[in-house]
Amino acid sequence: SQKIEQNSEALNIQEGKTATLTCNYTNYSPAYLQWYRQDPGRGPVFLLLIRENEKEKRKERLKVTFDTTLKQSLFHITASQPADSATYLCALVTGGSYIPTFGRGTSLIVHP
Amino acid sequence: GAGVSQSPSNKVTEKGKDVELRCDPISGHTALYWYRQSLGQGLEFLIYFQGNSAPDKSGLPSDRFSAERTGGSVSTLTIQRTQQEDSAVYLCASSRSTGFDEQFFGPGTRLTVL
Repeated sequence: SQKIEQNSEALNIQEGKTATLTCNYTNYSPAYLQWYRQDPGRGPVFLLLIRENEKEKRKERLKVTFDTTLKQSLFHITASQPADSATYLCALVTGGSYIPTFGRGTSLIVHP
Repeated sequence: GAGVSQSPSNKVTEKGKDVELRCDPISGHTALYWYRQSLGQGLEFLIYFQGNSAPDKSGLPSDRFSAERTGGSVSTLTIQRTQQEDSAVYLCASSRSTGFDEQFFGPGTRLTVL
């Protein structure tokens, strides 16, 4: 069956370090993969989209990689700050579809 | 500019009652999605509207759930004869174009069924 896995355990890191979050998937052939940030009591906010033919995408302190062989995306936040503390969701869209499937998200806690 | 708005922000109802949840997408966005999010769960897709096309209802969990989108803008999600398992946060999102694009989410409606 199709599955998207994000680490259910919170990731705790120290301010200034690089946070790396993982999104693994099985039995999907995604055309697009997105990352969103969600704060408590709020809707998700779009961060980055990466296409199947792209290996890496960057935006300011954020970097996303997409390895279709490993069936994995990594989301990096460099020089992390306490304000980066939130839940981060990955979402996959297969070709020909406009409906994303979301992972459950990973909570990131950046300690000052 | 104005983002996606949803109302009410919170709704408490009794089991068996009907509820209506409203979504106002960003003006000009042709695509509109409804999701629900239960505690500790990912976003569960419910229904997708794109322009004047027939909606994709493949995510609706039962025939108690329905949605409409009037004039290509405002959308209403209706849940009839609510059950306790319907308790969740219902999120609406809109996006600009017919191709896959970033989604802009509203703040959600927290539904509690007693």
